[in-house]
Amino acid sequence: EAGVTQFPSHSVIEKGQTVTLRCDPISGHDNLYWYRRVMGKEIKFLLHFVKESKQDESGMPNNRFLAERTGGTYSTLKVQPAELEDSGVYFCASSQASGRGPYEQYFGPGTRLTVT
Amino acid sequence: RKEVEQDPGPFNVPEGATVAFNCTYSNSASQSFFWYRQDCRKEPKLLMSVYSSGNEDGRFTAQLNRASQYISLLIRDSKLSDSATYLCVVNRGSGNTGKLIFGQGTTLQVKP
Repeated sequence: EAGVTQFPSHSVIEKGQTVTLRCDPISGHDNLYWYRRVMGKEIKFLLHFVKESKQDESGMPNNRFLAERTGGTYSTLKVQPAELEDSGVYFCASSQASGRGPYEQYFGPGTRLTVT
Repeated sequence: RKEVEQDPGPFNVPEGATVAFNCTYSNSASQSFFWYRQDCRKEPKLLMSVYSSGNEDGRFTAQLNRASQYISLLIRDSKLSDSATYLCVVNRGSGNTGKLIFGQGTTLQVKP
């Protein structure tokens, strides 16, 4: 079974540009999460989708970040316009449908974003 | 103050040693607890969940003290392959939101 995949693996952009990160969760996983690790800091939660609905977006840093999950399958995270402090590794994770959870979250390999 | 605190280390130990990592969390409403392992430039992977009664998985033993809001991980008979960063993780939130709160991680280096 394929794991969580993310694209691209690396992205280098200039300040002010736009970048879109993509995450494909494990097939059948309704829960999809985005996390971010900036250098020297701990991994931090950004948001949580249940199918196509945003369940919790309390970790989104500001309105330059837009996450979507149309159709409840893959998700995109767009940063527009990018700032230097957005540099870091963006992880996506997925887990099974809700019930008596929480279920294990499986992480993708991450997208390393560098804003210059 | 961070919600999940860990000693970042690094812990440098010889093969075969026993090593223990500690972690504290500040939110008493935290519901679930985990240790994740992260290899260099890789994604975090679940090592084990942590239960109030304590639990063991081979050479790894995890303990939880809810009263003290303290979590530990003990690794016995360390192997070179155990070298990694160990992340203390708690789940906070109502129901099954699954929002994970990570500590900064403790780095372990096992040497021959």
